Formats: sequence, C-alpha cells, structure tokens
Amino acid sequence: QQQVKQSPQSLIVQKGGISIINCAYENTAFDYFPWYQQFPGKGPALLIAIRPDVSEKKEGRFTISFNKSAKQFSLHIMDSQPGDSATYFCAAPEAGGTSYGKLTFGQGTILTVHP
Amino acid sequence: GAVVSQHPSRVICKSGTSVKIECRSLDFQATTMFWYRQFPKQSLMLMATSNEGSKATYEQGVEKDKFLINHASLTLSTLTVTSAHPEDSSFYICSASDPGLAVYEQYFGPGTRLTVT
Repeated sequence: QQQVKQSPQSLIVQKGGISIINCAYENTAFDYFPWYQQFPGKGPALLIAIRPDVSEKKEGRFTISFNKSAKQFSLHIMDSQPGDSATYFCAAPEAGGTSYGKLTFGQGTILTVHP
Repeated sequence: GAVVSQHPSRVICKSGTSVKIECRSLDFQATTMFWYRQFPKQSLMLMATSNEGSKATYEQGVEKDKFLINHASLTLSTLTVTSAHPEDSSFYICSASDPGLAVYEQYFGPGTRLTVT
C-alpha cells in the first residue's frame, strides 16, 4: 500500500513569513497531488492540486512544487496569515488495480501563524 | 461548485444502538463516495469506497457488518454504524468524486462527530 510521508508534524511561522510543508510518496498510479486544508471540527477542503506534466502550480499565496524524480512535492504558503492556521494534508493516488480513485493521505502538519 | 453535505453534524447515541450518517453531493453526480474516520490530531483513515449501485469495498480491518454503507443514488451515500460502542466514537467524514470528470479529485463533507455513551 502507498505510503505518504509528510513533514514537519507541526510548524510555527510569524505573520508574513513563508510556510513550507513537504511530502514524499512511494509510487502512484497517476501524477495528481492535492493539498487539503482542515480547520478544527471541519472536513478537509481541497486547497490546491498539481496535475501531470507540471512541476509547479501557483494559486495566490499557495504554490505546489513537484519533483517527479525524487517522488516529492511540497506546499509553500507565502505571506502566511493567522487565518492560515490549520492542519494541512498532502495526498497521493493509490497505485494498484483495486485502488482506482483512492487517495493516501500524509500524517498532517499543524500550522500556526503568529500575528 | 463541488459541495458535499453531511447529516447530522453531531450525534450522541447510547451503546448498542445504531446511527445513520448521510452524505450528499449537492451540485454534481458522485459516482464514487469514500468514507473516512479521523481521530483527534490524526490523519484520515479510509474505511470504505462506495460506487453508485454496487456494494461497497471495505479497507482491511474494517468490519463491513458493523459499518453498513449504501450508495443508492448518484447524490447520496449513507453510513450506518450498527450496535455502536464507545470505541466507535470518532469524526466520520465522507468525500465524493466524479471519476468521469476527475478521477482523484475528492470533495469532502463537513464531517459528523459521533459520540457513543
């Protein structure tokens, strides 16, 4: 079964700083790597995702970088704001014939942005 | 777009009773829905995958007779926790996708907090 290793477990950043969260996967059926943002007591929300043949995707202050040869991808949050304080999960598609459509999630990173 | 709802948001039940949780895709047809369980400060643990009109596929270690999943329509899936026990207390979250559009793009519901007393 696919494993996705996410780091760090927790991250404290000052307002205006850059938050960086990393993920590494073992193998995948498809080059689609999403990041989800989850606030306490809420379901995860799709934040940004990167698709095949793209090494970087930027949406506002959020950027995904993808290194296929290293099997790693990362989330950069520029100009971090207190409202970004949440838990972030990376995910990667499961490989294997019975895994169609399934995602494996990283362990999560608790981001705290201090004002 | 891509809105998924869950009902109820919170439920408290007595040990031994059954609880049903509904998951609805509001603005798209979800041919596939996933049910996850999440413990405090932990990641999402996939319990089962359901496809409209067919039996759910359960992950290893998940009791299919305890966690009954029905996906009767393209917009509704239900999870029934039967004979609930305190150890079933958890945060249950569903997600939905339309593989016809984007295979791995999952949209999550707001979750249901189940407390078994």
